[in-house]
Amino acid sequence: DAGVTQSPTHLIKTRGQQVTLRCSPKSGHDTVSWYQQALGQGPQFIFQYYEEEERQRGNFPDRFSGHQFPNYSSELNVNALLLGDSALYLCASSVGVAGGPHEQYFGPGTRLTVT
Amino acid sequence: DAKTTQPTSMDCAEGRAANLPCNHSTISGNEYVYWYRQIHSQGPQYIIHGLKNNETNEMASLIITEDRKSSTLILPHATLRDTAVYYCIVRVGHTGTASKLTFGTGTRLQVTL
Repeated sequence: DAGVTQSPTHLIKTRGQQVTLRCSPKSGHDTVSWYQQALGQGPQFIFQYYEEEERQRGNFPDRFSGHQFPNYSSELNVNALLLGDSALYLCASSVGVAGGPHEQYFGPGTRLTVT
Repeated sequence: DAKTTQPTSMDCAEGRAANLPCNHSTISGNEYVYWYRQIHSQGPQYIIHGLKNNETNEMASLIITEDRKSSTLILPHATLRDTAVYYCIVRVGHTGTASKLTFGTGTRLQVTL
């Protein structure tokens, strides 16, 4: 049973460029959340997708956008990259059914470096 | 979501129990306590969660005080592979979709020989 997969593993971009990160959820999961983790900090919630719609959003600017596809996979797009966007980007998947708490399963992350 | 307070770091000898405390004095009645850990250069890993009662699974035990204002994660026989940052998170269990996880800075557990 494949877990959460993310691509690419590492990425180097220049300020002002745009980047797209990809995530495939764990088999059977339909909800995808994205987190940003700066060096030495805990992950910070960016947004969550369920049924191809953004359901929750953290305190991130509109430069951060996303998409969820019918097969539940997801993309995170960041426009006009800043040096401060350098971080580990984590994708987490879960099951979005009614009732009760749902643990989230994380992928290994994509390390983005902006120069 | 309620805030949590954890010690910055802890040490534990291999084979001994590791007891990681967490304070969540402002927890609401419908908020659960979750524990995740993050081994260096990996994504966070779910460990355990609970609402009121103590919980145990193959990885750990979770002890929640009667007033729910604090909890302790117990790794019964710590190994070197348990060296990681441990995050205590309190959040509401939403219906329909899982609510976001709000991570603090966690406790860095170092297991030594």
